[in-house]
Amino acid sequence: DIQMTQSPSSLSASVGDRVSITCRASQGISNYLAWYQQKPGKVPSLLIYAASTLQSGVPSRFSGSGSGTDFTLTISSLQPEDVATYYCQNYNSAPWTFGPGTRVEIK
Amino acid sequence: EVQLLESGGGLEQSGGSLRLSCAASGFTFTSYAMSWVRQAPGKGLEWVSTLSTSGATTYYADSVKGRFTISRDTSKNTLYLQMNSLRAEDTAVYYCAKKGGTTTPGNYFDYWGQGTLVTVSS
Repeated sequence: DIQMTQSPSSLSASVGDRVSITCRASQGISNYLAWYQQKPGKVPSLLIYAASTLQSGVPSRFSGSGSGTDFTLTISSLQPEDVATYYCQNYNSAPWTFGPGTRVEIK
Repeated sequence: EVQLLESGGGLEQSGGSLRLSCAASGFTFTSYAMSWVRQAPGKGLEWVSTLSTSGATTYYADSVKGRFTISRDTSKNTLYLQMNSLRAEDTAVYYCAKKGGTTTPGNYFDYWGQGTLVTVSS
């Protein structure tokens, strides 16, 4: 099974900061990588699929990059409404595993 | 508008059974693979099970294989998860999720239900 790791596990940044989260797969998954946002007490929502394709309705300050084993989610200018936990997911093959999550807070 | 509405959660004793339902609307139910994803209290997301678009193929996480069964009723546009031999570690919010895209490869989730809480007491 493919294992997903994320770093950091949590971060605190100021409004307007550029924030990056890294996701690593234990073996190559091409670009079959999705990112989800889960705000406190809410349902997860899809941000990005195919490593870099923004889901409809997602603000353009979010972007994704990477291929193979290393991926990055970037928030170009952190906003208060971006406080959430972010999960990556391998969707290349079953089991479709999630990373452990990265909690993003405002400093 | 895509809507997924789960039901059937509750408190059950260890070794017991529950059946979760997910009523789907706003899309062609038989054109998408459907899945269950769970989240234990204060923990991360865990994929549980997927039913293929055709309904002929099922996939399970090792943690539930042999105990849980995914199925659907296309006449009711409803997805089910039959959960048997429940354990304390099955305690979680269970989300129903729709696969993103019809022909896109892989299995990511573009719509999620509100979730239903399953609590298993030991």
